[in-house]
Amino acid sequence: KNEVEQSPQNLTAQEGEFITINCSYSVGISALHWLQQHPGGGIVSLFMLSSGKKKHGRLIATINIQEKHSSLHITASHPRDSAVYICAVSKGGADGLTFGKGTHLIIQP
Amino acid sequence: EPEVTQTPSHQVTQMGQEVILRCVPISNHLYFYWYRQILGQKVEFLVSFYNNEISEKSEIFDDQFSVERPDGSNFTLKIRSTKLEDSAMYFCASSRTGTEQYFGPGTRLTVT
Repeated sequence: KNEVEQSPQNLTAQEGEFITINCSYSVGISALHWLQQHPGGGIVSLFMLSSGKKKHGRLIATINIQEKHSSLHITASHPRDSAVYICAVSKGGADGLTFGKGTHLIIQP
Repeated sequence: EPEVTQTPSHQVTQMGQEVILRCVPISNHLYFYWYRQILGQKVEFLVSFYNNEISEKSEIFDDQFSVERPDGSNFTLKIRSTKLEDSAMYFCASSRTGTEQYFGPGTRLTVT
């Protein structure tokens, strides 16, 4: 069974700061997902990674398969980035995602 | 843009009652999933469905739970006799290839 650990659990930063959220997992995977959950509860997929690095706007996600570690970076953070960021892993296909506990991010103006 | 929809958004039921949560996945998707999130806890996998049958299920998905795809568009989760501890947000997700998953907005189930 895969264990997914995220750090930090909570993060408060000032607008404009560079944010890093880390995720590590215990067993080999086919893909790692970064998800965003807003206070209303809905979950949005941000990235799906199996190797290397992906960038979308101000968000960057990287993964190191050998070290079983991924990071999510937010550049020029903004209050609207405030949300819970969740790392999840899967073996693909019909295999369900295994989720981390999430990082609660607050960006203050 | 196509999206996964779920109904109802909030369901309140009494302990021991049966509930059916409904999901309409994205139309050309082949893999379907149910997850739940108890308030303040992490999201947990319940079950996946592919080719008209259950593919994987977690230890949470016991005999009280069942899933169906009754008409080729809806995907339902039934809880036969609800318990207080079934109170949670239930998310449906779908995927075309079994890689990227698209989540519905969730159904908040409250068991009293």
